[in-house]
Amino acid sequence: EAEVAQSPRYKITEKSQAVAFWCDPISGHATLYWYRQILGQGPELLVQFQDESVVDDSQLPKDRFSAERLKGVDSTLKIQPAELGDSAMYLCASSRQGGFYEQYFGPGTRLTVT
Amino acid sequence: GQQVMQIPQYQHVQEGEDFTTYCNSSTTLSNIQWYKQRPGGHPVFLIQLVKSGEVKKQKRLTFQFGEAKKNSSLHITATQTTDVGTYFCAGRPTYSSASKIIFGSGTRLSIRP
Repeated sequence: EAEVAQSPRYKITEKSQAVAFWCDPISGHATLYWYRQILGQGPELLVQFQDESVVDDSQLPKDRFSAERLKGVDSTLKIQPAELGDSAMYLCASSRQGGFYEQYFGPGTRLTVT
Repeated sequence: GQQVMQIPQYQHVQEGEDFTTYCNSSTTLSNIQWYKQRPGGHPVFLIQLVKSGEVKKQKRLTFQFGEAKKNSSLHITATQTTDVGTYFCAGRPTYSSASKIIFGSGTRLSIRP
């Protein structure tokens, strides 16, 4: 069964450092999502891609976060500089086409900023 | 802004008891999806509802979409220990131009064996 891949699974970094997360969606899925999930809360959408284009990044802190999906396949989310409040689970998900299709989530990257 | 709220936040039940979580949106939704997240895991898709008043069943789970398409519920009959986890609803606001899905805050279900 096809799965969404994410790496690394865990990341510990010091504040003010740069950190990057990678996601490889299910083959053929046009839509890719990056979420941030704080313990005890629901996933919060950071950025949504349709193929290689950003269709929603309204909740992305653009002064420090960036995301790209250059070839419309895998994607990278970067934080620079990391802050203590960025500690969270970063989830990647993909779907066939937008919000009317089920999302398949990857295992996530647990980020701890010290 | 657009919000999707879930109640209760936590529910602790005896195994065999029923469980219900409610999802309420501040705006009309085009569709509602339900996900389950086991402790330490990632959200897994359960079901999608699209039509006003729609009811769907999956074994002991019953999902309902309200007539006004602003609320939804998930009911589990005779809970089992395998039902432990957090249940999230996620809806796409009707006027969302980017097919953005908004997740609710979730209901965490724990079960006494």
